[in-house]
Amino acid sequence: QAGLTQPPSVSRGLRQTATLTCTGNSNNVGNQGAAWLQQHQGHPPKLLFYRDNNRPSGISERFSASRSGNTASLTITGLQPEDEADYYCSTWDFSLSVVIFGGGTKLTVL
Amino acid sequence: QVQLVESGGGVVQPGRSLRLSCAASGFIFSGHTMHWVRQPPGKGLEWVAVIWSDGSNSYADSVKGRFTISRDNSKNILYLQMNSLRAEDTAVYFCARDVVGLPEAWGQGTLVTVSS
Repeated sequence: QAGLTQPPSVSRGLRQTATLTCTGNSNNVGNQGAAWLQQHQGHPPKLLFYRDNNRPSGISERFSASRSGNTASLTITGLQPEDEADYYCSTWDFSLSVVIFGGGTKLTVL
Repeated sequence: QVQLVESGGGVVQPGRSLRLSCAASGFIFSGHTMHWVRQPPGKGLEWVAVIWSDGSNSYADSVKGRFTISRDNSKNILYLQMNSLRAEDTAVYFCARDVVGLPEAWGQGTLVTVSS
């Protein structure tokens, strides 16, 4: 089953802004929107956003999300050391009736 | 608060079976869709299966015909029966509560190692 496309790695400096992307197609991201998850090494994933830009309670406002067509984006402003993690996008593919994930982006805060 | 605790992982030989459990608390289990997601060591997330509150389900192609997801709403437990296990099934298995069709709240995971 095809997945979503994410860049394998992104590096930015402390207090800078990072934008991560996730590309799918009209059967998944373009139709259902995307969710974003953060995973620190050795921990389970944590949901940051669902349906593009719906933020669960407790998620920092330094995180924002958006979508344009088949590409979703996660932006993190004022990067902190604790933002260093793997970030995954996810969505439901209605043509396949499955959940799909991107391969993940490893964010390094320099 | 939402709590999901997986159990049942371990080392198993190729071709054998294993059943994972996920004990849920802190929410109305019977009313929620539930997922299993796995993560091979050092790799990304891979969705495994979903079960809706009415008991209907869907599976990833990689496990279809070998794995079965089920739930016991009287005990608030989610299960994953895994048969004909292969080396490539080695992973940490997470259960997760659903929100709008996607995994939302996650357990800590249980490690399954398929090796002779």
